[in-house]
Amino acid sequence: DAMVIQNPRYQVTQFGKPVTLSCSQTLNHNVMYWYQQKSSQAPKLLFHYYDKDFNNEADTPDNFQSRRPNTSFCFLDIRSPGLGDAAMYLCATSRVPGGANYGYTFGSGTRLTVV
Amino acid sequence: SQKIEQNSEALNIQEGKTATLTCNYTNYSPAYLQWYRQDPGRGPVFLLLIRENEKEKRKERLKVTFDTTLKQSLFHITASQPADSATYLCALVSTSGTYKYIFGTGTRLKVLA
Repeated sequence: DAMVIQNPRYQVTQFGKPVTLSCSQTLNHNVMYWYQQKSSQAPKLLFHYYDKDFNNEADTPDNFQSRRPNTSFCFLDIRSPGLGDAAMYLCATSRVPGGANYGYTFGSGTRLTVV
Repeated sequence: SQKIEQNSEALNIQEGKTATLTCNYTNYSPAYLQWYRQDPGRGPVFLLLIRENEKEKRKERLKVTFDTTLKQSLFHITASQPADSATYLCALVSTSGTYKYIFGTGTRLKVLA
């Protein structure tokens, strides 16, 4: 089945130690998104790629970076994780921005714990 | 400022009843609105989309309405089952001017057997 896969499901990192989360998709979608979701809150968009074009949200901290080496893969790098960065990180894809008739396809998420 | 509101309190209903969830928005002109289901520890799953010129959309036991005058969408699950227990998120998409996509915080639904 075509899907969005995030690895790892759970990640524990030390305060200040760089960490990378990965996302891969077999849907051949043009757009890939990274969201941060904290408990009982709405998913918050960090950035997205439309093909190779990178789009950063204005309020995304510089501590968060992303790479999309090809259509299938996208990475989220957190350069110096702080305690406030502990959250669920969700990767999503869509054929076009906004998802239109098909919405976004989300991965199962990576739960990040910062110790 | 743009705002989306979903009832933050959990909704508990008896199995077999119709669940109705609300999504209200202000200072926003969405082109369309989507509803997602999210289970604990999982990513959201897309359920339905309704466009600004549509009043109602149905899919199996799901029904969505969209009232741009009231700035409100209602999401109904008929003949609810315990398996429908989850958090339901609405998302509004605006394509006028700068493209904008905003999620609500979701409403947790619990269907009691």
